[in-house]
Amino acid sequence: DADVTQTPRNRITKTGKRIMLECSQTKGHDRMYWYRQDPGLGLQLIYYSFDVKDINKGEISDGYSVSRQAQAKFSLSLESAIPNQTALYFCATSRGVGYNEQFFGPGTRLTVL
Amino acid sequence: GDSVTQMEGPVTLSEEAFLTINCTYTATGYPSLFWYVQYPGEGLQLLLKATKADDKGSNKGFEATYRKETTSFHLEKGSVQVSDSAVYFCALPWPNSGGGADGLTFGKGTHLIIQP
Repeated sequence: DADVTQTPRNRITKTGKRIMLECSQTKGHDRMYWYRQDPGLGLQLIYYSFDVKDINKGEISDGYSVSRQAQAKFSLSLESAIPNQTALYFCATSRGVGYNEQFFGPGTRLTVL
Repeated sequence: GDSVTQMEGPVTLSEEAFLTINCTYTATGYPSLFWYVQYPGEGLQLLLKATKADDKGSNKGFEATYRKETTSFHLEKGSVQVSDSAVYFCALPWPNSGGGADGLTFGKGTHLIIQP
């Protein structure tokens, strides 16, 4: 079974719609992250969370919000989707300070028409 | 701010060829350095890492040495296989506002294609 899961795996939506991407992990890690991947741009950090009560903005948080519902769950929302948010979105986890290795989910491909 | 620059691809090689993918970084201090690999249709996974200057990370026949003099962390493999075809990312920790480090800053990725 996958340690980091993401739902949905693929989503097509229209401009202006609200979208939620979900991430769950069974690794017992405190830290969770959301990245987006665009062709030729690598990955960019959107938000990260040290624990349930801690949320931090990353490099490109505008237009996104997150919710850490539990240690194992971290959701990413697009309140009003726009076409330039079309990308591949990855959730990742890590153990904490000093353990920078991150474990990635399989990704969600989001298309905004 | 901290950043990573890596050679752009795609890089196309024949099986058993020698591989080098260049990576240079700009950072305050001497952060840990990482190579991640993304196989088709999958998320990223850690390939190797080095935590201090002159360290050599290695895994699956790949190696990279942390060179602070040249601020580089080039990825090498002596004999590539078709199964090595993937996208490779160089990365370093992204410093948060508190001066610590969390999340990762990635290079743009290098697409490696190995032909039989």
